[in-house]
Order: sequence, then structure tokens, then C-alpha cells
Amino acid sequence: AQSVTQLDSQVPVFEEAPVELRCNYSSSVSVYLFWYVQYPNQGLQLLLKYLSGSTLVESINGFEAEFNKSQTSFHLRKPSVHISDTAEYFCAVREYSGGGADGLTFGKGTHLIIQP
Amino acid sequence: DAGITQSPRYKITETGRQVTLMCHQTWSHSYMFWYRQDLGHGLRLIYYSAAADITDKGEVPDGYVVSRSKTENFPLTLESATRSQTSVYFCASSLDSLEAFFGQGTRLTVV
Repeated sequence: AQSVTQLDSQVPVFEEAPVELRCNYSSSVSVYLFWYVQYPNQGLQLLLKYLSGSTLVESINGFEAEFNKSQTSFHLRKPSVHISDTAEYFCAVREYSGGGADGLTFGKGTHLIIQP
Repeated sequence: DAGITQSPRYKITETGRQVTLMCHQTWSHSYMFWYRQDLGHGLRLIYYSAAADITDKGEVPDGYVVSRSKTENFPLTLESATRSQTSVYFCASSLDSLEAFFGQGTRLTVV
């Protein structure tokens, strides 16, 4: 069974500084990888996903993540953060089972705190 | 409105009572999911459904029951609520079982 480890429960960073949120996964088969963002009192929204192809994926608001198969990682990065990026970020994985749907496995989340 | 909606948004119930959380989606997505979110645990899958009348257990199904008689609805029932079921519950739907769209959540408190 797959598992996801988000190494930092909380990451404080100053506005306009770069940030990296770390995510490692464990699986014996190929996987799909996702980052979701949760703003206060809201549901989760998909930020970006890796399904296949280029290992570097980008979101429309400046985040990017790189799939590293050898390191089993999918770290999220942004070169310059804004106050509005303050949120909880969840990494998620789904094994490629060739069919069926057994849901995503989520990490415990990383709270990104942007300091002015 | 189009999308996925959960009701109620907030619920307080007593230990031992039955409570049902509703989830409705307008996209005709085949796949639907129920997660619970707890501090320190992230999101954990309770039940999922691949289509109407097809449901299966997730990671933490004990104490919960689901049904899916129609594609658009996926209610979650707590048969006899316990304090350990105090949590925020999220429903999600997906067209292809990959990208999931989440509702706003239901905050349930069992007293």
C-alpha cells in the first residue's frame, strides 16, 4: 500500500522569499502524484498533478513540483511567495492500478505561513 | 449551482444518535469519496464509490455506512455517533478517479 510523508508540519517564510514543501511517497508500483491546497474553512483545491510525461509540472499561480522517481519525491516549490499563499498544502498519491478507484492517499499536510 | 455541495456545513449531535451527512454533485462524475480530516492525521478515506450501487471501504470505515442509489448523491451515515467521530468530513467526486473535486466540508461535533 502507498503512503505519503510530508516532512514539515509547518513552514514559516517571509513574503517574496522562495519556499520548498517536501513530499516523499512509498509505493511498489507506478503512481500518480498531486498537490492540493486548502485555504481556511474551505475544501481542498487541486494545485497541480503529475500523471505522466514531463517530470516538472507547474500551476497557474507560480508553484511547480518535480517528480523524482529515484528519490520517490514530489517537492513543491515557489520562487517568491505572497501573503495569499498562506494555506495548508497536502501531497497525495494514487497507485496506478490499471483500473478501479480506491481514492487518494494524503500526507498529513504542511501549513505554509507567510510572514510580512 | 453546478459543483459539489455538502450539507449541513455544521452539525452538533449527541453520542449514540444517528446522523447523515449529505453530498450532491452536478457533474455526473462516476467516482465519489468520503474523507475525514483530523489534526495530525491529514485526510483519511472512509468510503468510496465507483458508480451507482457500487461502494467499497476505505482506510477508516468502522462506524460509517454509505449508499449510492443515484449517481449524484453519496450520503454518509454515522449509525451511532461517538466522540471519536468528531471531525471535518469532506466529500469529493472525480470523473476519472484521478483529479478529485472537493466539497466545502461538514464540521461534525459529537458531544
